[in-house]
Amino acid sequence: GAVVSQHPSRVICKSGTSVKIECRSLDFQATTMFWYRQFPKKSLMLMATSNEGSKATYEQGVEMDKFLINHASLTLSTLTVTSAHPEDSSFYICSASRGDRRETQYFGPGTRLLVL
Amino acid sequence: EDKVVQSPLSLVVHEGDTVTLNCSYEVTNFRSLLWYKQEKKAPTFLFMLTSSGIEKKSGRLSSILDKKELFSILNITATQTGDSAVYLCAVEEASGTYKYIFGTGTRLKVLA
Repeated sequence: GAVVSQHPSRVICKSGTSVKIECRSLDFQATTMFWYRQFPKKSLMLMATSNEGSKATYEQGVEMDKFLINHASLTLSTLTVTSAHPEDSSFYICSASRGDRRETQYFGPGTRLLVL
Repeated sequence: EDKVVQSPLSLVVHEGDTVTLNCSYEVTNFRSLLWYKQEKKAPTFLFMLTSSGIEKKSGRLSSILDKKELFSILNITATQTGDSAVYLCAVEEASGTYKYIFGTGTRLKVLA
């Protein structure tokens, strides 16, 4: 089966600092990776779609300067929350799709971010 | 604006009951509808539906899509406590690149 990892699984940081979250597809090449944000007891909100080698496509209302996404290789995408504030505290989940089996998104385990 | 709406928002049943979860959508360029089960962390894939009227089945779970009325249902028969989870419906929208729009989720609790 396809495995997607995220690192770190949990991070606590001070307001104003930047936090980088990594999403890796461990045993397949992910042409597309998605970044989601989930608030407690709420659904997943798509933040951006990341294609290897090109700029990410951000959803309306998501600030690209605030949430920097880099998809440098077919197995790695990173999300950097810049100048984090308490309202950025959330659960961030990435998912990856193979180019030929897009119906199955493989989700990472998620990263819980707490900004103090 | 594209949207996916699930109902009910939450549901409490007893073991052995049958439940039906609903997902309706308004999406401009529909490609497929997917169901996921989310327990503590990331969602796990259940079904992908692309054609109307064709039931997909996996054990006690089944799902069907109605592209005319723009909805799907997820049925769980003989529920067990392990079915307790949030069930997410997502629609794949295809306009150039594809993306997934998630519904609000239905929180199911199955009591022993």
